[in-house]
Amino acid sequence: DTAVSQTPKYLVTQMGNDKSIKCEQNLGHDTMYWYKQDSKKFLKIMFSYNNKELIINETVPNRFSPKSPDKAHLNLHINSLELGDSAVYFCASSPPGRLLEGAFFGQGTRLTVV
Amino acid sequence: GDSVTQMEGPVTLSEEAFLTINCTYTATGYPSLFWYVQYPGEGLQLLLKATKADDKGSNKGFEATYRKETTSFHLEKGSVQVSDSAVYFCALSFFTGGGNKLTFGTGTQLKVEL
Repeated sequence: DTAVSQTPKYLVTQMGNDKSIKCEQNLGHDTMYWYKQDSKKFLKIMFSYNNKELIINETVPNRFSPKSPDKAHLNLHINSLELGDSAVYFCASSPPGRLLEGAFFGQGTRLTVV
Repeated sequence: GDSVTQMEGPVTLSEEAFLTINCTYTATGYPSLFWYVQYPGEGLQLLLKATKADDKGSNKGFEATYRKETTSFHLEKGSVQVSDSAVYFCALSFFTGGGNKLTFGTGTQLKVEL
């Protein structure tokens, strides 16, 4: 069973479109995250939710809107896609409290904006 | 702010060679420290962790020791294999009550040749 699963794995779309990436975890964790990995492999946090509540919102354009319908799901909706949004987006989850065991990551969604 | 500095890659080694990937951090307290590994086309997997000074994390022959005095968490392996070829990320995390986030280094690509 996949612990953290994201769909789709690949997404190719045109500039200006709106798209969503879905994430689900079956680990029973309270906290979920979105990370962005750029073309140089640099990873940066975008958002963190704890039990459906937004906890961390880094400096991300407001075209990006996370939504957590329940604590097992965290989706990422992106409006008016731009070329610079091309990246790999990773969902992750962790138990509540101190990050003693690290976070568990999904396989990533490679977004290509053309 | 908190940051992680890793040695730049790519690092190319022959099979059975000794590996060291340097990692130092800047933080205003005592974070938890992690090494993650990313195999080609896959998500991040936790390789090892240490949550307090002088802790040694180990897994699959890899080791790293949390050195508070030098703010370092260098990754070592005595004898690398071709299957160790991947990108390795050093990361730190704080729990602030407002949530956790992993702050990553830039990643170090390791290539092991026969």
